Amino acid sequence: DSGVTQTPKHLITATGQRVTLRCSPRSGDLSVYWYQQSLDQGLQFLIQYYNGEERAKGNILERFSAQQFPDLHSELNLSSLELGDSALYFCASSVAAGTGANEQFFGPGTRLTVL
Amino acid sequence: AQKVTQAQTEISVVEKEDVTLDCVYETRDTTYYLFWYKQPPSGELVFLIRRNSFDEQNEISGRYSWNFQKSTSSFNFTITASQVVDSAVYFCALSGIITQGGSEKLVFGKGTKLTVNP
Repeated sequence: DSGVTQTPKHLITATGQRVTLRCSPRSGDLSVYWYQQSLDQGLQFLIQYYNGEERAKGNILERFSAQQFPDLHSELNLSSLELGDSALYFCASSVAAGTGANEQFFGPGTRLTVL
Repeated sequence: AQKVTQAQTEISVVEKEDVTLDCVYETRDTTYYLFWYKQPPSGELVFLIRRNSFDEQNEISGRYSWNFQKSTSSFNFTITASQVVDSAVYFCALSGIITQGGSEKLVFGKGTKLTVNP
């Protein structure tokens, strides 16, 4: 158990819908990262937050947004869902930001299926 | 741009065999970090090791060992006396440092699926 929690574990929804994925980092970790794992794209970085502020952005679609709250939990919002958004979404956390040295600990993931 | 290549898509071995998973990386950062993660069939990503670009010493942890060679931009992972429980997808990853213009995001390879048969 990495200490990172993600809810829900599974999510099945229809095209055009909007969903919210939630992540609670390990106690004491200030950085939260979101990654998408799909068969064709592999593991791709989406976005990073550090202590409530956006730190880095990857290949995140405009239909997707995220935020980190004062209690450090984070939410990833996916809207106007398409079939191609079906994937495993991981949240990871690390102690701090700036060095790249801190290993990222991953949550169990949320499997999103868009029908 | 950073890139990680794991040329071996799938490897199948028999229990007790040694197996090496290859990882080659590209980066323009002078300081960077390399990682290995394991993804068992249950799906979670498990951190195995972190190595910084200044430390080329090989590392051994039980049946696992890692060989980092900066000259060939490789960070290979060897499992000695493999066991069925080692069956998983293994990912090599690379990150930079923000203070040196890099990014802390992990850039992953495509992964190597290892199957250890009894």
